[in-house]
Amino acid sequence: DVKVTQSSRYLVKRTGEKVFLECVQDMDHENMFWYRQDPGLGLRLIYFSYDVKMKEKGDIPEGYSVSREKKERFSLILESASTNQTSMYLCASSSPQLAGDETDTQYFGPGTRLTVL
Amino acid sequence: GQQVMQIPQYQHVQEGEDFTTYCNSSTTLSNIQWYKQRPGGHPVFLIQLVKSGEVKKQKRLTFQFGEAKKNSSLHITATQTTDVGTYFCAEHQAGTALIFGKGTTLSVSS
Repeated sequence: DVKVTQSSRYLVKRTGEKVFLECVQDMDHENMFWYRQDPGLGLRLIYFSYDVKMKEKGDIPEGYSVSREKKERFSLILESASTNQTSMYLCASSSPQLAGDETDTQYFGPGTRLTVL
Repeated sequence: GQQVMQIPQYQHVQEGEDFTTYCNSSTTLSNIQWYKQRPGGHPVFLIQLVKSGEVKKQKRLTFQFGEAKKNSSLHITATQTTDVGTYFCAEHQAGTALIFGKGTTLSVSS
């Protein structure tokens, strides 16, 4: 079974703090993703990575950065947390599209519910 | 950015009634994936549709991909309380991440 784990299920931080959210997958997937999920807005992509040391901005990268030093680990960093970053953060991983009609299925971690006070 | 539109946002049904959620795009979709997220859980992959007009079934769930590949639907026959959750459609284009709809949240009363 694919396993995607996230460092914390619940996290409470203060405005201005630096926050690290860690994600680890054990299936040797090349692709990793960070989303945030808010009521009425669905899943929104923050950043993704197709390889080690590689990153690309998603739809809402402002206020976030990422790090991918090892294939299995993808970290989301909030340099200076703000109250509007209170949200559920979901990490996902997948293998790249192989050939023909195949497409990559994303496997999600359990999520980290971050509250910024 | 590009987005797939999903309707309705919320749906409440009585147990035993049918339920349908729709996913629409203004552009031709390369494929569609459907996910289910239970309350308090994370999204779980259900199925992918690739071919024009494709129909796939999983027990009480029927997934369709439009002939023009611009829309898709998920239909649940005779809903059960275990069907509650949020259903997402998502499109994957080569070289990009999945683009998710906002989801349809289904509640079922017994």
